[in-house]
Amino acid sequence: NAGVMQNPRHLVRRRGQEARLRCSPMKGHSHVYWYRQLPEEGLKFMVYLQKENIIDESGMPKERFSAEFPKEGPSILRIQQVVRGDSAAYFCASSPDAGNSQETQYFGPGTRLLVL
Amino acid sequence: QKEVEQNSGPLSVPEGAIASLNCTYSDRGSQSFFWYRQYSGKSPELIMFIYSNGDKEDGRFTAQLNKASQYVSLLIRDSQPSDSATYLCAVKGSSASKIIFGSGTRLSIRP
Repeated sequence: NAGVMQNPRHLVRRRGQEARLRCSPMKGHSHVYWYRQLPEEGLKFMVYLQKENIIDESGMPKERFSAEFPKEGPSILRIQQVVRGDSAAYFCASSPDAGNSQETQYFGPGTRLLVL
Repeated sequence: QKEVEQNSGPLSVPEGAIASLNCTYSDRGSQSFFWYRQYSGKSPELIMFIYSNGDKEDGRFTAQLNKASQYVSLLIRDSQPSDSATYLCAVKGSSASKIIFGSGTRLSIRP
């Protein structure tokens, strides 16, 4: 059973370009969460999605950031017009569909974004 | 006040001893509590979760929850050098669907 998959693992962008980060949840999971982690800091919640719905986006910056989780395909975190401050590790997590186990999140390997 | 607070460390513990990691949270209605381990440059890995007051044991790990004191801890018995990592406490609040993470405690096991 494959775990949470993220790609690319490393992404380099110049200021002003767009970054697209992809996340495929574990099989049987329909809940996806995105987090950002700056060096030597903890994980900051960004957004929680279920298939075709954004459930909680309270941690998303109001501008330049967007997320989707279509009916088919991976979840996408999109950052437009990147700035140096966007350089961080972006982790995706997924959780199962029912019961208390729904709350347990399993993390992907992360995408390390570097903005030059 | 931060929603989930942890001492950043580093916490240095001799090999074979018990490592004790602590976490406090601000939302009294929180229901679910998690401990993750994160090695440098890697993703967080779930170690344990706990929902009820008291202790929960899994191998060398014991999670302790005291909702009255809004306190959750992780004990690691017979500490090994491979336990050296950052330990993240995470809490699911009463109304939110998201999980809030503490900033982590760096643990170093010295031989």
